[in-house]
Amino acid sequence: KAGVTQTPRYLIKTRGQQVTLSCSPISGHRSVSWYQQTPGQGLQFLFEYFSETQRNKGNFPGRFSGRQFSNSRSEMNVSTLELGDSALYLCASSLVAGGLGTGELFFGEGSRLTVL
Amino acid sequence: GNSVTQMEGPVTLSEEAFLTINCTYTATGYPSLFWYVQYPGEGLQLLLKATKADDKGSNKGFEATYRKETTSFHLEKGSVQVSDSAVYFCALSDNKLSFGAGTTVTVRA
Repeated sequence: KAGVTQTPRYLIKTRGQQVTLSCSPISGHRSVSWYQQTPGQGLQFLFEYFSETQRNKGNFPGRFSGRQFSNSRSEMNVSTLELGDSALYLCASSLVAGGLGTGELFFGEGSRLTVL
Repeated sequence: GNSVTQMEGPVTLSEEAFLTINCTYTATGYPSLFWYVQYPGEGLQLLLKATKADDKGSNKGFEATYRKETTSFHLEKGSVQVSDSAVYFCALSDNKLSFGAGTTVTVRA
């Protein structure tokens, strides 16, 4: 069965621009979580969507937003990009709301964003 | 809040050496504990898990035991291979997965 698919895999933007990243979860998974991975901060939780509703949110500014569609695909958007937003953005899907039950998340390969 | 602290790397070993990566946690209640692994150029994948105290998770020769008395979940493997070179993350489940900083392991032939 197909895994979690993230697009685009790589992108370069300049400060002040905005970016939208896409994530297609494993078929049947209703939960999608987003993480930011940087060498300095490690893996930081952005937010989680379950059945089109934001269920949980990390400590990121309002420039970071997301949504989930009825087919469980999710997008995250970062507006007014800053240099510090350069990171690998990982999407993960699960059958149940993340962290509950088995807690097993299935990760995509990530979208690597470079902000110049 | 709940958090995970794992030993900093990088760790460099020779093939067939013994590997230990320390992980301790702070949590209210009794969270589930996990080890995830990230191979070069890939996303994270679950390596093993334990859902209650004294549980031992195991997979691919790796083991970790959920120790409530020491709030620890150390990862061990008796004989590493070059293919075990990766970044290892300890994590706990508290309504979301909270990850440690990650430990980079390099195994030399």
